[in-house]
Amino acid sequence: GEDVEQSLFLSVREGDSSVINCTYTDSSSTYLYWYKQEPGAGLQLLTYIFSNMDMKQDQRLTVLLNKKDKHLSLRIADTQTGDSAIYFCAERKSYIPTFGRGTSLIVHP
Amino acid sequence: DTAVSQTPKYLVTQMGNDKSIKCEQNLGHDTMYWYKQDSKKFLKIMFSYNNKELIINETVPNRFSPKSPDKAHLNLHINSLELGDSAVYFCASSQDGGHHSGNTIYFGEGSWLTVV
Repeated sequence: GEDVEQSLFLSVREGDSSVINCTYTDSSSTYLYWYKQEPGAGLQLLTYIFSNMDMKQDQRLTVLLNKKDKHLSLRIADTQTGDSAIYFCAERKSYIPTFGRGTSLIVHP
Repeated sequence: DTAVSQTPKYLVTQMGNDKSIKCEQNLGHDTMYWYKQDSKKFLKIMFSYNNKELIINETVPNRFSPKSPDKAHLNLHINSLELGDSAVYFCASSQDGGHHSGNTIYFGEGSWLTVV
């Protein structure tokens, strides 16, 4: 299987919360990241979490890390149409940043 | 100033041609990468250089040759282009060592390569 797995699509209503989930395989990963990619653009770092943390909050974004289950989630509060994009989870072990396939977040009115 | 810049942004070329994509970072990072993103948005690492030394070379045809003249540059040269090489190529960089920055990987805007 792949090193980092995410569901491919998530559809939410504007104003609701979005939760994007990710599982990874390597327990020695030191950092875990969330990136956002808008259509036709590059990857923009949203946030990262160090492996000894359980949670990190940054304005509308909340990252939860369950190291035992190797599960990472990104919660976006009050989702807006501008949040529509592909969200990539990534893990970092040694020199190798490995990305999931990305979750396409669709926000509808 | 753009942190990681790559050129050209768009490239349309015929099969069999040789082309290069250039990448420069002004962040003082010591590690640089090339990623390929296919039509399904899957990001796959191709190469990684640390201080001009190749440290990762994934299963990539040897028609792809990275060149790092210095720490701030990692160029990608592709020989004998094939239709299947059509993709978006992303350059990236990071500073390894130290936890304060999260060893964050910074990406360029991507180079859209279309082989016809």
